[in-house]
Amino acid sequence: AQTVTQSQPEMSVQEAETVTLSCTYDTSESDYYLFWYKQPPSRQMILVIRQEAYKQQNATENRFSVNFQKAAKSFSLKISDSQLGDAAMYFCAYRTFTSGTYKYIFGTGTRLKVLA
Amino acid sequence: EADIYQTPRYLVIGTGKKITLECSQTMGHDKMYWYQQDPGMELHLIHYSYGVNSTEKGDLSSESTVSRIRTEHFPLTLESARPSHTSQYLCASTYFNEQFFGPGTRLTVL
Repeated sequence: AQTVTQSQPEMSVQEAETVTLSCTYDTSESDYYLFWYKQPPSRQMILVIRQEAYKQQNATENRFSVNFQKAAKSFSLKISDSQLGDAAMYFCAYRTFTSGTYKYIFGTGTRLKVLA
Repeated sequence: EADIYQTPRYLVIGTGKKITLECSQTMGHDKMYWYQQDPGMELHLIHYSYGVNSTEKGDLSSESTVSRIRTEHFPLTLESARPSHTSQYLCASTYFNEQFFGPGTRLTVL
């Protein structure tokens, strides 16, 4: 069974600085998708970035980028030029196809605090 | 933000009551999901649906039931609420490679 591990329950970053959130996963599949989701306090969870496993190039979305190391099964999220609005819970997720449908397996989350 | 709605947003109810948490989406997505999430914790899949008249239990055992009579509607029902059901319930739908989440229902059972 696939698992997703986020070993950092909480991280802090100074405004305008860069922070990296860690995520590792375990799978025997060769083709899959990985995601980072952001859940602001009392607000809707939204997709930050996604990575297709067969693509070697790391995904980038504005200030957000990933470091995808397929062999190491590592999928970290880098946030550059951190802003106060980046404060949220961040969840790493793995998408698997099982029992005829896609299922998403989430990590335990990392709470990011942005210091002014 | 995606067009996926959940009502009520907050619910406080007594033990033994029957409740239905509503979830609807206007995007025409076939695949829909219910997750249970305790505060600050990971999401656990409790139900999912491929499409109309298709529902399956998720990985986390739940005493709730779901139905999918219409594509846009995926309600979750608890026949007899208990304090152990206190949690946040998130509804989601999926299209291609993206999962869209509703705002969640925070349920407290006294």
